[in-house]
Amino acid sequence: AQKVTQAQTEISVVEKEDVTLDCVYETRDTTYYLFWYKQPPSGELVFLIRRNSFDEQNEISGRYSWNFQKSTSSFNFTITASQVVDSAVYFCALSGGSQGNLIFGKGTKLSVKP
Amino acid sequence: DGGITQSPKYLFRKEGQNVTLSCEQNLNHDAMYWYRQDPGQGLRLIYYSQIVNDFQKGDIAEGYSVSREKKESFPLTVTSAQKNPTAFYLCASSIDRYRGSLNSYNEQFFGPGTRLTVL
Repeated sequence: AQKVTQAQTEISVVEKEDVTLDCVYETRDTTYYLFWYKQPPSGELVFLIRRNSFDEQNEISGRYSWNFQKSTSSFNFTITASQVVDSAVYFCALSGGSQGNLIFGKGTKLSVKP
Repeated sequence: DGGITQSPKYLFRKEGQNVTLSCEQNLNHDAMYWYRQDPGQGLRLIYYSQIVNDFQKGDIAEGYSVSREKKESFPLTVTSAQKNPTAFYLCASSIDRYRGSLNSYNEQFFGPGTRLTVL
């Protein structure tokens, strides 16, 4: 069965620290997609990245970077030089739900203090 | 501007009442979804619609109903049969997953959500 585990429930850092959010997934599909979404206090989910299972290249976008390792079924997300505006709940998700939906982890709440 | 709107932002319901949550999108997306979010939990799928006049139950459909009479609209009704409806409800849409290349999977775009509280 498909499953996404975000073991870190809450993380608190001080501004400018680097922080890594962990995501481990389980799937029997050979082709799948992984996603990260950000949920600020307003509640709306904001799409951050989509990664195909055949593309194991790491990706960097500004202060954000993602490390995809198929061998360990992990898709970790790092924020470099964190800022207060990064405070949010971050969700990792996996494609392949029976209804075409995404399978979400329980989320990691990140608090960045000034 | 293209996007997904949900209304109302906050909704209060008395026990025994049915309430309907609105979801509208102008992204020309075929697929639409309703998720429920409880504190400290991920999102769980309630209903899913791939095309107009067609929808399927998700993992927690009991006590909910939907309709898809128009491509742009996918309202969710929370019925009195839903025993624990207090939650945050998120609507999403995406390009039909069967368009484009085989096994393509497009990101879902989410609305701002409706917070439902049962009094």
